[in-house]
Amino acid sequence: GQNIDQPTEMTATEGAIVQINCTYQTSGFNGLFWYQQHAGEAPTFLSYNVLDGLEEKGRFSSFLSRSKGYSYLLLKELQMKDSASYLCAVMDSNYQLIWGAGTKLIIKP
Amino acid sequence: GAVVSQHPSRVICKSGTSVKIECRSLDFQATTMFWYRQFPKQSLMLMATSNEGSKATYEQGVEKDKFLINHASLTLSTLTVTSAHPEDSSFYICSARDGTADNSPLHFGNGTRLTVT
Repeated sequence: GQNIDQPTEMTATEGAIVQINCTYQTSGFNGLFWYQQHAGEAPTFLSYNVLDGLEEKGRFSSFLSRSKGYSYLLLKELQMKDSASYLCAVMDSNYQLIWGAGTKLIIKP
Repeated sequence: GAVVSQHPSRVICKSGTSVKIECRSLDFQATTMFWYRQFPKQSLMLMATSNEGSKATYEQGVEKDKFLINHASLTLSTLTVTSAHPEDSSFYICSARDGTADNSPLHFGNGTRLTVT
């Protein structure tokens, strides 16, 4: 079957750096997405990786290793507003999105 | 950037009634829209794929007669929850791709929180 694994919850301190990992087993691979979802709101797009390596976008970076079935989202200079759930989603060979359950990130002052 | 508008944001209805949720792509055309349901602390669950001008494609286990989807134009899809029951209470979210590529990122509406009493 297809599976996306990410930690359920993480805690970090304002101003620090946090890495949220995502591992996947899917039928084919057409890219991996990271979304941010604040409580009670819809997800918003953060990043897309289809080739191995690191994609940097401001305070957020996303890394992909296709051979390892692994990605991480790196958040730097954490702000209180970064408290949210972070969803990892993989697009399989049929271009269907397989969603992880999300990682709830709690930022403490 | 691409904007998807969803209405209403919240609705409370009585058991047995029907509720219609609208999803509009405001600055792009979407031949395909996706309807998701999300229960508290759980992942997004794809319910159906809405196709403009044709029938929706439902995921396994989703009752097509209960969740009616109409994609009347390139910018509007509607989901009607018919004969709603308390177990239908959930967060419903629509999304669409801005772009023709299958791997274009999804843009989500703000969601509709449905409470059935």
